[in-house]
Amino acid sequence: ETGVTQSPTHLIKTRGQQVTLRCSSQSGHNTVSWYQQALGQGPQFIFQYYREEENGRGNFPPRFSGLQFPNYSSELNVNALELDDSALDLCASSLAGVETQYFGPGTRLLVL
Amino acid sequence: AQKVTQAQTEISVVEKEDVTLDCVYETRDTTYYLFWYKQPPSGELVFLIRRNSFDEQNEISGRYSWNFQKSTSSFNFTITASQVVDSAVYFCALSEDPIQGAQKLVFGQGTRLTINP
Repeated sequence: ETGVTQSPTHLIKTRGQQVTLRCSSQSGHNTVSWYQQALGQGPQFIFQYYREEENGRGNFPPRFSGLQFPNYSSELNVNALELDDSALDLCASSLAGVETQYFGPGTRLLVL
Repeated sequence: AQKVTQAQTEISVVEKEDVTLDCVYETRDTTYYLFWYKQPPSGELVFLIRRNSFDEQNEISGRYSWNFQKSTSSFNFTITASQVVDSAVYFCALSEDPIQGAQKLVFGQGTRLTINP
């Protein structure tokens, strides 16, 4: 069974740039959620995708957007990067209707 | 609104000691789910346990045990005979009934556990 994978592992961007992060869900899982974890904090829910549509969103601005593909993989896109976007971005997959989310290793994003 | 509080920011114990990590939650839902995750320095969140609100039975898995008490809205985690490999940040999380919307996890601030040899 393949676990959740994310790419890239690390990324450095400058303020104002755009970034795309990628996530492959665990085998058999059809739901992907994205979380942002600032240093020293717990993860914060960004949004969730199910059947290629966003089905829930946390308190993040519209410049955070996503996609889910037919193979259930997903992308997180962030436009107009700000310094405060520096964080560990985590992807989690789950089977709709089952409550356990399994996390990938995350992407460490640094915005300079 | 949902909220999870982990009042212990950092705990440091000597190997082989028992240690309990506290978790208190708030929710208006009658159906909800509680979780514990472990985050080693590598960053990946490792799933440890899930309990639903209708199952207050305590659980033991090897050196790990969990005490769920609805009366006090607490879901505490105990490690018996701690080992250096248990050193990590531990997060408690809450999810309300996913049927009503997105399956959103609300996390506490985490407890950094250090086991000294």
